[in-house]
Formats: sequence, C-alpha cells, structure tokens
Amino acid sequence: KAGVTQTPRYLIKTRGQQVTLSCSPISGHRSVSWYQQTPGQGLQFLFEYFSETQRNKGNFPGRFSGRQFSNSRSEMNVSTLELGDSALYLCASSRIGTNTDTQYFGPGTRLTVL
Amino acid sequence: GQNIDQPTEMTATEGAIVQINCTYQTSGFNGLFWYQQHAGEAPTFLSYNVLDGLEEKGRFSSFLSRSKGYSYLLLKELQMKDSASYLCAVASGGSYIPTFGRGTSLIVHP
Repeated sequence: KAGVTQTPRYLIKTRGQQVTLSCSPISGHRSVSWYQQTPGQGLQFLFEYFSETQRNKGNFPGRFSGRQFSNSRSEMNVSTLELGDSALYLCASSRIGTNTDTQYFGPGTRLTVL
Repeated sequence: GQNIDQPTEMTATEGAIVQINCTYQTSGFNGLFWYQQHAGEAPTFLSYNVLDGLEEKGRFSSFLSRSKGYSYLLLKELQMKDSASYLCAVASGGSYIPTFGRGTSLIVHP
C-alpha cells in the first residue's frame, strides 16, 4: 500500500507570493490533516479535512487555507507569504480521523520564504 | 488550550534503557500518542494510550496516568538507530486532533 505523498518536496518563494501544496492520502483514508513544523514552535496543527469538509481548524491566520477533493486528495494554500512561514509542512492521513485512528504522515514539503 | 511538556534533549548509551517523560494539562482527554521522527523524515506512529497503564510493544513501552497528566515512553536495549526526536501528542476537548509537544531529541552514543 502506497504511503502518503506530498508534492513538491522543496519550494522556495519570496515574500508576498502565494503557494499551493498537495497531499495524496493513503488509499481508503478519508481524513487529511495539515501541520506546520518549525524548530521554535514544533508541530502545530493547521486544519483537518474529512469528506471534502473542513472539520477542525487550528489557530492560524486566514492566509492559510485548504481544501479536499472527492478522491480525498488535499491541497493547502498560503497567500501573501511571510518570512515566518518558512517551515516543513506535513500532511497526515487516517481512515476516519478518530482518536483510535493512526495518523500516517507524508514526507513533508520544505518551504523557504526569502 | 493545552500545555504539553517534555525534555528538550536526552542522551543515552547503546544497549541501555531510557525513559522520556511527558506531562500535559488539558480538559476532555481523548488520548495520548507517541511519535518518532528521524531528522529530515516524517513522524511515525509509535503508540497510543487512552486508559491508564502500560502498553508494551517490543522494545518500546508507553505508560499513561490520566489523573497525573503524565506519560512516559520507555525504550529498552537502545540502538544507534533510536537516535531521533520523540513527540508526545495529546487529543482532547472533544477533538481527536492531537496537539504535539515540542519533542525530545534522543541521542544514543556507543
């Protein structure tokens, strides 16, 4: 069974630009969560999608948005990039997103904002 | 909100046993997870505790005390490949989305 895939793996952008990251969950998984990981703040939850609906949301500004498609693939978008957005963005999928579900993480997208 | 504390860094010797502690303050506890993350890689699931007690899985065991807001991950027969960051995460407040601690960087030396 293929794991969670994320594209692109690395990205360099400049301040003010926008970026779209993609995540393909494990086949059969319907819950997709996004996290931002930085050395200073650790792993922070951005949002979770289930059946094309945002089900949970973390404490990030509105510049961070996402969506999920009918095949459970998900994208996240960051508009008006800031230097502080430089981070590893991780996507995790699980079957239905309950506490007994194991989350499987993708390799991440390393975003650098210059 | 939640407060999750774990040591920043620990060192141990190959073949030894190490215990990584995690304390948390939360309401509506829904479960505690431990993940392992090697440098430059994605976190991988190690264990899940929702009831008090010890869960053993090979060389790794995880303990939970809900009344004390405390968990630990026990690693036995340490190997060099166990050098990694260990993340404690707690789901609570009606959500199954875990909040992660900042991780404990474990360095195993010969």
